[in-house]
Amino acid sequence: DQQVKQNSPSLSVQEGRISILNCDYTNSMFDYFLWYKKYPAEGPTFLISISSIKDKNEDGRFTVFLNKSAKHLSLHIVPSQPGDSAVYFCAARVQGAQKLVFGQGTRLTINP
Amino acid sequence: KAGVTQTPRYLIKTRGQQVTLSCSPISGHRSVSWYQQTPGQGLQFLFEYFSETQRNKGNFPGRFSGRQFSNSRSEMNVSTLELGDSALYLCASSFWGGGEAFFGQGTRLTVV
Repeated sequence: DQQVKQNSPSLSVQEGRISILNCDYTNSMFDYFLWYKKYPAEGPTFLISISSIKDKNEDGRFTVFLNKSAKHLSLHIVPSQPGDSAVYFCAARVQGAQKLVFGQGTRLTINP
Repeated sequence: KAGVTQTPRYLIKTRGQQVTLSCSPISGHRSVSWYQQTPGQGLQFLFEYFSETQRNKGNFPGRFSGRQFSNSRSEMNVSTLELGDSALYLCASSFWGGGEAFFGQGTRLTVV
């Protein structure tokens, strides 16, 4: 059963606006959440992470929000740039193990 | 600091053969994890090694195995290859197994 879900397979945003990518999880045993950006035939590039004891983490244009009661996290990118066009994966780490469970990814397209 | 290095980048094998993939983690990182990415199943965890010991294992058949050396470099082996093993195999390293995991470029394996 898929424990991490990204329900939007694609998202299209105008350059300069905010991109919001969403992720839901079902397992309360996750203690750390990460966002990765991926281009075809390449490995995922780490973007930002958040511990389960926090509700927000910010790094430059990227902010991750965690709502534990709703088991939901989101990645905000502002302002969006053409170079942000890629597939974004959210991942959750199983508590006590270096095992990441990935969502299916959301393809973000930034339009000029 | 050099990133995670995976070799080879591309590989074509015949059904029934075996294959060995290599991963050199970021210097100082002691945890190495392996993931398989396919269009149908997404990114799935294979196993994780720390200090030459397998700590975690995903739901893959015994044909998939791995090992880690004293310098933290890791190899994964797939025996008796099947067509369904065609995938992008990704290696990730982290300092101790927690926190952020950084991925290599991957090895694209095609089984014909």
